[in-house]
Amino acid sequence: NAGVTQTPKFQVLKTGQSMTLQCAQDMNHEYMSWYRQDPGMGLRLIHYSVGAGITDQGEVPNGYNVSRSTTEDFPLRLLSAAPSQTSVYFCASSYSGGANTGELFFGEGSRLTVL
Amino acid sequence: KQEVTQIPAALSVPEGENLVLNCSFTDSAIYNLQWFRQDPGKGLTSLLLIQSSQREQTSGRLNASLDKSSGRSTLYIAASQPGDSATYLCAVKNQGGKLIFGQGTELSVKP
Repeated sequence: NAGVTQTPKFQVLKTGQSMTLQCAQDMNHEYMSWYRQDPGMGLRLIHYSVGAGITDQGEVPNGYNVSRSTTEDFPLRLLSAAPSQTSVYFCASSYSGGANTGELFFGEGSRLTVL
Repeated sequence: KQEVTQIPAALSVPEGENLVLNCSFTDSAIYNLQWFRQDPGKGLTSLLLIQSSQREQTSGRLNASLDKSSGRSTLYIAASQPGDSATYLCAVKNQGGKLIFGQGTELSVKP
């Protein structure tokens, strides 16, 4: 059972470069989300999606774009990387985004360093 | 604005002890509360999910309670083992749809 798969696991970028973090789930979940985890700041929501074609901003959306063309995939794009975006990024999914969400399942994380 | 607080930030206990981890939240209008475990360098693993209409959930040696009116949840771990060492996070799902995390309690169980 794959669950939530994130790639790459590690990435080093230079300031100004762009890249895409990939996230795929095979559980037919409607709700998908991206978090970043930083020491002392906890987990913060970047963007989320309640279904294909629908995305919305979380707490810290600036500098990131998302799209949801299929139920399975929810890529996170860094448009012009900055050192402040050095973090561990987690993708998570659940059955739905409403009241009856079920459990939230996380990927293993993508560790990004921006020099 | 919903705020989630976990106290203590770190806890060290000898093997075999029963222990309680605390989670408090400021807005009682929640859909559910979820407890997670995170091992170093890994993602989060869901332990227990409590819907807003429930008072508690149990899984093996773990028991989580929810008191919405007071804005509190506890995670009880019975007969702790070194393998329980990890960071434990709670998260509340707001009725606005967003999941807000606490900062976690880092648990160390000494053999």
